[in-house]
Amino acid sequence: SQTIHQWPATLVQPVGSPLSLECTVEGTSNPNLYWYRQAAGRGLQLLFYSVGIGQISSEVPQNLSASRPQDRQFILSSKKLLLSDSGFYLCAWSPPKGGTDTQYFGPGTRLTVL
Amino acid sequence: AQSVTQPDIHITVSEGASLELRCNYSYGATPYLFWYVQSPGQGLQLLLKYFSGDTLVQGIKGFEAEFKRSQSSFNLRKPSVHWSDAAEYFCAVGAGGYNKLIFGAGTRLAVHP
Repeated sequence: SQTIHQWPATLVQPVGSPLSLECTVEGTSNPNLYWYRQAAGRGLQLLFYSVGIGQISSEVPQNLSASRPQDRQFILSSKKLLLSDSGFYLCAWSPPKGGTDTQYFGPGTRLTVL
Repeated sequence: AQSVTQPDIHITVSEGASLELRCNYSYGATPYLFWYVQSPGQGLQLLLKYFSGDTLVQGIKGFEAEFKRSQSSFNLRKPSVHWSDAAEYFCAVGAGGYNKLIFGAGTRLAVHP
């Protein structure tokens, strides 16, 4: 069966510091991968998605970037964090095909920028 | 543009009472619709999904949802709520290629004993 991992689970970082959040998927090959952000009391905003190694699409302009160095690894980064980057970050995967299919979510990372 | 509206931000029900969470969508083509549940501090778990066929969809934990094209709705229902159902519920619509989903803002459900 497939599983998705995210780490760290929680993170407190000062403004201006760098960020690296990692997501890995097991039990599937060539998944579509997604990063979402959930701000307090709000819904989910799609930040990035990837359909293959090195292929990243950005949905909103922001202070963050994403990379996919391996088939089942998706990394969310920032060079300098802003207060507005605080939130709950969720990684998700879906089967490797076009069209719409179910997305499966990881446990999330709670990021607090102080 | 595609969008999802969940009109109720907070809902409180008594344990054992019935539940209906509303979801309205805007999408030009045949929609793919999902309901997810999120417990505090956790990721999202899929409750059910509608792709085609029978408009009444059964999901996990005793939930069901009905797709009504004429009303652009996909409301989630449960006949008898349990205290463990307290969580946040998200409706989502498939937004085109590569499985992109558009989420509603969520409905937070509280259950009174």
